[in-house]
Amino acid sequence: GNSVTQMEGPVTLSEEAFLTINCTYTATGYPSLFWYVQYPGEGLQLLLKATKADDKGSNKGFEATYRKETTSFHLEKGSVQVSDSAVYFCAHGGATNKLIFGTGTLLAVQP
Amino acid sequence: DAMVIQNPRYQVTQFGKPVTLSCSQTLNHNVMYWYQQKSSQAPKLLFHYYDKDFNNEADTPDNFQSRRPNTSFCFLDIRSPGLGDAAMYLCATSREPGGTYEQYFGPGTRLTVT
Repeated sequence: GNSVTQMEGPVTLSEEAFLTINCTYTATGYPSLFWYVQYPGEGLQLLLKATKADDKGSNKGFEATYRKETTSFHLEKGSVQVSDSAVYFCAHGGATNKLIFGTGTLLAVQP
Repeated sequence: DAMVIQNPRYQVTQFGKPVTLSCSQTLNHNVMYWYQQKSSQAPKLLFHYYDKDFNNEADTPDNFQSRRPNTSFCFLDIRSPGLGDAAMYLCATSREPGGTYEQYFGPGTRLTVT
C-alpha cells in the first residue's frame, strides 16, 4: 500500500551543523514527493517538492532528491539555524486524491 | 497575498455542544480539505471537496460534517464534540485533486473541549 516512513525525532543539532532527515516511501507508480514544515502553533508550509525521478527540490538551503531506485527523498541542509527548529513532514501524492504523510520529525537547533 | 484563512485560531467548546470551524481561501482553488492533527502526529484527512463534490474518508466519524457553500468558503461542523475531538484542525486547498498538486494550508484552529 501507500505509506511514508521518516526517521523518528527529536533530532537535536547545534547551529551550523549538517542536517539529514531520512524519508522512504512505498507507492504505486511514481508519485510527487513533498517536504512540509510546521513551525510551533502554525499550519503546514510546503518546503520543497519533486515531481519525477532524479528531480531535486530546493528551498531556503534545504534540498531533497527523488531517488526512484531507493524510493527515498531525504531532506538535507548544509548549515542549520535556530530558526529552522520545527516539525518536518515528508509526504507523497499517492494514487488516491490525497497526501500520504510520514509521522513527522521534530528538529531542535541549539545556539 | 493569496492565502488560506481559518477562524477562529482558538476555539473552546463544551462537551456535546455543536461547534463550527471556518475556512476561506483567496486562491480560487477547486479542492478544499479538512485535516485533524493531534499532538505530535501527522495530519489526518477527514474529508475534502472537489468543487461541490464531497468526499468523505472511510474512517471519519459521523460526528464530523462539512459544508462548502461556494468556492471560497468551507466549514467543519462537529455535532457533538467529545474530549477526544480536542485537536488542531487544518484547512488546506489545492488547485486540482491528485498527488501532483501541492496543498496550501491555513494556520489551523486549535479546538479545546471542556
